[in-house]
Amino acid sequence: AQSVAQPEDQVNVAEGNPLTVKCTYSVSGNPYLFWYVQYPNRGLQFLLKYITGDNLVKGSYGFEAEFNKSQTSFHLKKPSALVSDSALYFCAVRDGAAGNKLTFGGGTRVLVKP
Amino acid sequence: NAGVTQTPKFRVLKTGQSMTLLCAQDMNHEYMYWYRQDPGMGLRLIHYSVGEGTTAKGEVPDGYNVSRLKKQNFLLGLESAAPSQTSVYFCASSYSWERTDTQYFGPGTRLTVL
Repeated sequence: AQSVAQPEDQVNVAEGNPLTVKCTYSVSGNPYLFWYVQYPNRGLQFLLKYITGDNLVKGSYGFEAEFNKSQTSFHLKKPSALVSDSALYFCAVRDGAAGNKLTFGGGTRVLVKP
Repeated sequence: NAGVTQTPKFRVLKTGQSMTLLCAQDMNHEYMYWYRQDPGMGLRLIHYSVGEGTTAKGEVPDGYNVSRLKKQNFLLGLESAAPSQTSVYFCASSYSWERTDTQYFGPGTRLTVL
C-alpha cells in the first residue's frame, strides 16, 4: 500500500528566508508525486508534480520540489518565502499500480512572518 | 470556465438527517472523486467515478452513497448523518485515469453533524 508522511505539522519562517516543507513516501512501484496548497477557506490548488526525468521540478508561485529516490523524499522548497505563502500544504503520491487514486499526507501548515 | 464547483458551502445537520452534496465540473473531465478532510489526516477518498453512470468505493465509503447520472455532476449522499461525518468534503475531477494526470479540486463543503 502506498503512503505519505509529512513529519512537520507546522513550519514557521521569516519572510524572505528559504522555505522547506518535507515529504517522504512509500510505494510499491514507480512513484508519481504531487504537491497541493490550500489557502484558508479554499479548495486545494495544484502546485507541481514529479512524473519522471529531472529530479528538480519547478511549479507555480516560485515553488520547486526535489525528488530523491534513495531517500524516498519529495521536499517542497521556495528560495524566498512571502507572507502570502502562509497556507496548508499537502504532499500526495500515486504508485504504478493504483491508477488515479491519490494518497495524501496529513498536511503541513506554513506560517510566514513579516 | 468555473472549474469544479460545490454546493452548498456550509451545512449543519442533526444526527439522522439526510442530505446531498452536489459537485459540478465544466472541464469535460471523465473522472470525478469525493474526499473528506479531517485534521491531521490529509484527504481520504470516499468514492470515485470513472465515467457517467459508474461509481466505485474508495478508502472510507461507509455511510455515503454517490451517483453520476450526468458526466458533469457527481452527487454525494448521506442517508443518516452521524457526528463522525463532521468534516470538510472536497470534490475533484481529472481528465483521465492516467497516473500522471492532475486532479482539480472544488472549494469544499463544511459539514457539521450535531
